[in-house]
Amino acid sequence: DAGVTQSPTHLIKTRGQQVTLRCSPKSGHDTVSWYQQALGQGPQFIFQYYEEEERQRGNFPDRFSGHQYPNYSSELNVNALLLGDSALYLCASSLINAGQGSYNSPLHFGNGTRLTVT
Amino acid sequence: GEDVEQSLFLSVREGDSSVINCTYTDSSSTYLYWYKQEPGAGLQLLTYIFSNMDMKQDQRLTVLLNKKDKHLSLRIADTQTGDSAIYFCAESIKLTFGTGTQLKVEL
Repeated sequence: DAGVTQSPTHLIKTRGQQVTLRCSPKSGHDTVSWYQQALGQGPQFIFQYYEEEERQRGNFPDRFSGHQYPNYSSELNVNALLLGDSALYLCASSLINAGQGSYNSPLHFGNGTRLTVT
Repeated sequence: GEDVEQSLFLSVREGDSSVINCTYTDSSSTYLYWYKQEPGAGLQLLTYIFSNMDMKQDQRLTVLLNKKDKHLSLRIADTQTGDSAIYFCAESIKLTFGTGTQLKVEL
């Protein structure tokens, strides 16, 4: 049973470029959340996708966008990269229990994509 | 203020118990989680507790929840060097994580 997989593992980009990160959720999960973790910080919630739509969003600018496909996999896109976007980007999957207040089951994380912006 | 807060650092001797504390603000959270992160790795789910429980025990791990004070703690019994890592608490509504507590286990 594959867990959450992310690609690529490492990426180096230049300021102003665009980047796409990919995530496949754990088998049986229908929801994907994306987090940014700067060095020495806790993960910061970017957004969550469920049923191919953005369900929740954290305090991130519109340069951060995403997509979820019918097979539940997801992409995170970041445009006009800034030096401050250098971080570990974590994907987490879960199952939405829509019948009981729409809460998330525990999040299962991938190992992340390390993005360096130069 | 922050939605989830933790102390930054804890140092214990091998074999002792470790207690990592967390406070949160959203009282509607259904689950509260504890995650472990080792250097260069993603987050590993350690345990979680439903908001209608006061305590949950899972082998060496004990989670205590005080809903009145919005306080969560993780106790690790017989702490080992392999427990050295950063520990995060998180809540299930806004999917917010704390700043993390770095646990250092000394021989």
